[in-house]
Amino acid sequence: SQQGEEDPQALSIQEGENATMNCSYKTSINNLQWYRQNSGRGLVHLILIRSNEREKHSGRLRVTLDTSKKSSSLLITASRAADTASYFCALPYNTDKLIFGTGTRLQVFP
Amino acid sequence: DVKVTQSSRYLVKRTGEKVFLECVQDMDHENMFWYRQDPGLGLRLIYFSYDVKMKEKGDIPEGYSVSREKKERFSLILESASTNQTSMYLCASSLVESSYNEQFFGPGTRLTVL
Repeated sequence: SQQGEEDPQALSIQEGENATMNCSYKTSINNLQWYRQNSGRGLVHLILIRSNEREKHSGRLRVTLDTSKKSSSLLITASRAADTASYFCALPYNTDKLIFGTGTRLQVFP
Repeated sequence: DVKVTQSSRYLVKRTGEKVFLECVQDMDHENMFWYRQDPGLGLRLIYFSYDVKMKEKGDIPEGYSVSREKKERFSLILESASTNQTSMYLCASSLVESSYNEQFFGPGTRLTVL
């Protein structure tokens, strides 16, 4: 089964800056999801983008999906210290399951 | 507010002990999952259950078993704990039959096996 590969593995920025992280995958999908994990906690669903959507917004989050390049990006605008977390893309497989990437660790400095 | 709860946040056990990790969800979800998370390896699926008493092996089931006697409860059992099972264990649930459905996660159990 495929796994999304996030890039970069780690990212450090100042508050107020934008953070961009990317996810690439190998086989066709019908949707892609992004999750956040605060240190030592469970994952929280952020956003789902379907294969017929190119861009989706949720608050300060913007997700794009390019099915021709098999890649997605998550942009967090005007980042805050509270955005410090790991971010994972998740790809569907076998109907009900998801396979998660290894994540991007984002550190936002006040 | 939907919730997935796990029985312990931190657990320390000795090699050879039988360990039970419990997960309860209050969303009436059919699907429940157990993952382990290790640095550099991401989340790996141990077992999946799509209904009461129904289970399916994930990618790394060796050394683990599961029990789902009630819809809301999914237990992960380490029959004889070993040091290589030291990890973060995450439980999740979702609605059935649609990969569009998000998974809801519990807070995780950090298990240390000495």
